[in-house]
Amino acid sequence: ETGVTQTPRHLVMGMTNKKSLKCEQHLGHNAMYWYKQSAKKPLELMFVYNFKEQTENNSVPSRFSPECPNSSHLFLHLHTLQPEDSALYLCASSHARDSYEQYFGPGTRLTVT
Amino acid sequence: GQSLEQPSEVTAVEGAIVQINCTYQTSGFYGLSWYQQHDGGAPTFLSYNGLDGLEETGRFSSFLSRSDSYGYLLLQELQMKDSASYFCAVRANTGKLIFGQGTTLQVKP
Repeated sequence: ETGVTQTPRHLVMGMTNKKSLKCEQHLGHNAMYWYKQSAKKPLELMFVYNFKEQTENNSVPSRFSPECPNSSHLFLHLHTLQPEDSALYLCASSHARDSYEQYFGPGTRLTVT
Repeated sequence: GQSLEQPSEVTAVEGAIVQINCTYQTSGFYGLSWYQQHDGGAPTFLSYNGLDGLEETGRFSSFLSRSDSYGYLLLQELQMKDSASYFCAVRANTGKLIFGQGTTLQVKP
């Protein structure tokens, strides 16, 4: 148990659907992150939030829209995705934005059909 | 660009010692971390090196040489449960963690 939960764990959606991924951390951390993990590729940082403010958008397409209503919750809103967006989406948190130790959730396995 | 290189696969037997190397090229450097990820699980933090030398945590040790842009993770007394993917990650000057592609370790009886 890492203290970071993600829902849903699995998601199948069509290219015209709209869905949201949810992440919640129970660790009292101030920074939260979204990563994309595809097979045979390094974890790719997507977004960084620090004290609810977005501090990093790593050139992510606009069909991915993050939302951070408070330091404990992070959402990733998805719309008009492409099949190549199928991947494991991982949420993480850390005490501070520059912390070397991040705590990851179990991820949402997304399949776009 | 920024890149980290690590072997894609390593195989070893129970009780053995294995070393997973990581070389990096980044525009800034503030430390090297190691993460473990079991199949279907979340990455979990193992160790961090901010300065040159060896850090030991139980059966796992991690080493860093900043002059060589090189580090390694050493796993001793291997157990079957150590079968997992291991990622090195550099904290670069942007404050981001940049991850390597991961090394899949298979421990055999």
